[in-house]
Amino acid sequence: DIVMTQSPSSLAVSAGETVTINCKSSQSLLSSGNQKNYLAWYQQKPGQSPKLLIYLASTRESGVPDRFIGSGSGTDFTLTISSVQAEDLADYYCQQHYSYPLTFGSGTKLEIK
Amino acid sequence: QIQLVQSGPELKKPGESVKISCKASGYTFTDYAMHWVKQAPGKGLKWMGWINTYTGKPTYADDFKGRFVFSLEASASTANLQISNLKNEDTATYFCARRRWPDYFDYWGQGVMVTVSS
Repeated sequence: DIVMTQSPSSLAVSAGETVTINCKSSQSLLSSGNQKNYLAWYQQKPGQSPKLLIYLASTRESGVPDRFIGSGSGTDFTLTISSVQAEDLADYYCQQHYSYPLTFGSGTKLEIK
Repeated sequence: QIQLVQSGPELKKPGESVKISCKASGYTFTDYAMHWVKQAPGKGLKWMGWINTYTGKPTYADDFKGRFVFSLEASASTANLQISNLKNEDTATYFCARRRWPDYFDYWGQGVMVTVSS
């Protein structure tokens, strides 16, 4: 099974700051066939279901603000949220969609100071 | 618009069974596989497995083999999760999620909270 390790587990920032969340996989998520990385990011606000933000490591889902940026390749990935807003208060999860069983990171709790 | 609407919260005793439903609308049900994800209170997301909505074939993650059954009512665009012989550790919110190729989730149900307590 591919183990997904997220860091930090929590962070608190002020509105307007930039946030970086890291996700490391125990195996490469890069497909040799199409050179794409099979990594997704989700946002889960309190009391809600997860919402897809990013897939294939850097492709933003339709309707997701462009302040959410996914990057990385191989085993190391990053979700960057620029100019954080109060509404970004949530838990963020990475998920590898490279192979079964599908696995998630343990989550990062983002708090707004 | 695309929606996955799940059934309501459940309170069960250990040893009982529960059946959760996930009704899809706004798209062709059989075009997309349905996955199930568990979230224990205050914990992260755990993938449980999926069901092929065209053939009805289920696939279970290792930790969810035995007491968990995925099924369909395709004519009603509904996927179901049944858990038998409930244990305290089954207390969690269970989400259905629509799979988009390659294997990420673009739409999620609102979740069903299952509480197992004597």
